Amino acid sequence: NAGVTQTPKFQVLKTGQSMTLQCAQDMNHNSMYWYRQDPGMGLRLIYYSASEGTTDKGEVPNGYNVSRLNKREFSLRLESAAPSQTSVYFCASTNKGTSGNTIYFGEGSWLTVV
Amino acid sequence: ILNVEQSPQSLHVQEGDSTNFTCSFPSSNFYALHWYRWETAKSPKALFVMTLNGDEKKKGRISATLNTKEGYSYLYIKGSQPEDSATYLCASHGGATNKLIFGTGTLLAVQP
Repeated sequence: NAGVTQTPKFQVLKTGQSMTLQCAQDMNHNSMYWYRQDPGMGLRLIYYSASEGTTDKGEVPNGYNVSRLNKREFSLRLESAAPSQTSVYFCASTNKGTSGNTIYFGEGSWLTVV
Repeated sequence: ILNVEQSPQSLHVQEGDSTNFTCSFPSSNFYALHWYRWETAKSPKALFVMTLNGDEKKKGRISATLNTKEGYSYLYIKGSQPEDSATYLCASHGGATNKLIFGTGTLLAVQP
């Protein structure tokens, strides 16, 4: 049982390049999330998917797109990377149960845009 | 309150001190309140998930309380140890939207 797996772990991009961060969970969770973490800013929600087939904008969606490919996978795409997107990205998943289920995080993806 | 707010931003205590931090969240459309412990270069790890007004949870020396009517939660650490040093995050889980919004965290440093 791997939990939440995200790839790549590290990536350096040039300004204007595109890339996709992949995330997969094997816990049969309905909801998946992408966050970015910057110094002094905590975790800011980029996009989320409450259930398979739906996606919604979070707090900081500009410059990103997402795809909920199936129940397991939720990818985050940077179409034209900018230095302001240098950050650590975390994928997370959870289910809404009667007791407010635990959120599980991936190990993070360190992205540098030069 | 429109966002999730945590205070203080950082805290430096001596080993053995007891401490507490606050998380304020929107009380409307509330579903659950999460507390996480986050060490540098690692992913956040769950401490508590709380849903009921008046709920109290405990894990070893760490405990938390929840007031959903006024929109706040307290995290307490009794007898702090150097290994408790980390950032403590809270997150509010919305009801209808299923949005999960985090506060900016409280950075705790425990000096031996």
